[in-house]
Amino acid sequence: QSALTQPASVSGSPGQSITISCTGTSSDVGTYDFVSWYQQPPGEAPKLMIYHVSSRPSGVSDRFSGSKSGNTASLTISGLQAEDEGDYYCSSYTFSSTTIFGGGTKVTVL
Amino acid sequence: QVQLVESGGGVVQPGRSLRLSCAASGFSFSSYAMHWVRQAPGKGLEWMGVISYDGINKYYADSVKGRFTISRDNSKNTLDLQMNSLRAEDTAVYYCAKGRVAISGYFEYWGQGNLVTVSS
Repeated sequence: QSALTQPASVSGSPGQSITISCTGTSSDVGTYDFVSWYQQPPGEAPKLMIYHVSSRPSGVSDRFSGSKSGNTASLTISGLQAEDEGDYYCSSYTFSSTTIFGGGTKVTVL
Repeated sequence: QVQLVESGGGVVQPGRSLRLSCAASGFSFSSYAMHWVRQAPGKGLEWMGVISYDGINKYYADSVKGRFTISRDNSKNTLDLQMNSLRAEDTAVYYCAKGRVAISGYFEYWGQGNLVTVSS
């Protein structure tokens, strides 16, 4: 099964908002609300930022929010900060009981 | 606190086998599905497979189906990944990750990662 589609890179200035898209199909994102987002700083393990499309784990800033429309999920980072730089990945459960990731998006704070 | 510690990585020749382990602590291991995820050098995350909380149900990515096997020992709080017929493209950092009670969903906690290099 093909990976979910994410933009390779997104950038913004401090204080701005950015949105990362994650496009799948009716076999994954479009059917299941098991969409999650991960932040991965260089050289570190990924960290869960959003689960079940729009829920935030304890300890994750409310500047991070998630949504979904049809086959596309989105992660929005509001009030962009330097510490938000890194790679971001979406993932979704699929109809075949597997999980797939997006190709990843590099976030740069200008 | 939740801890996941992988071990068993290293350098292995193509066609050979390697077994990774993940020692879990800080949560009720036997109540949660567990996953393996890998990341090739400079590449993105790739989901490898999942094992249900009771070890009965297992699902794998097509890229490793038939070559990799996930198992768990709930009495020892350990998760294993048996990798056979290794190929150069299996070179990656391998992470174990704690899932939900069900096999679907998200990866709440991750191990530190364990590098496997397949090379002659």
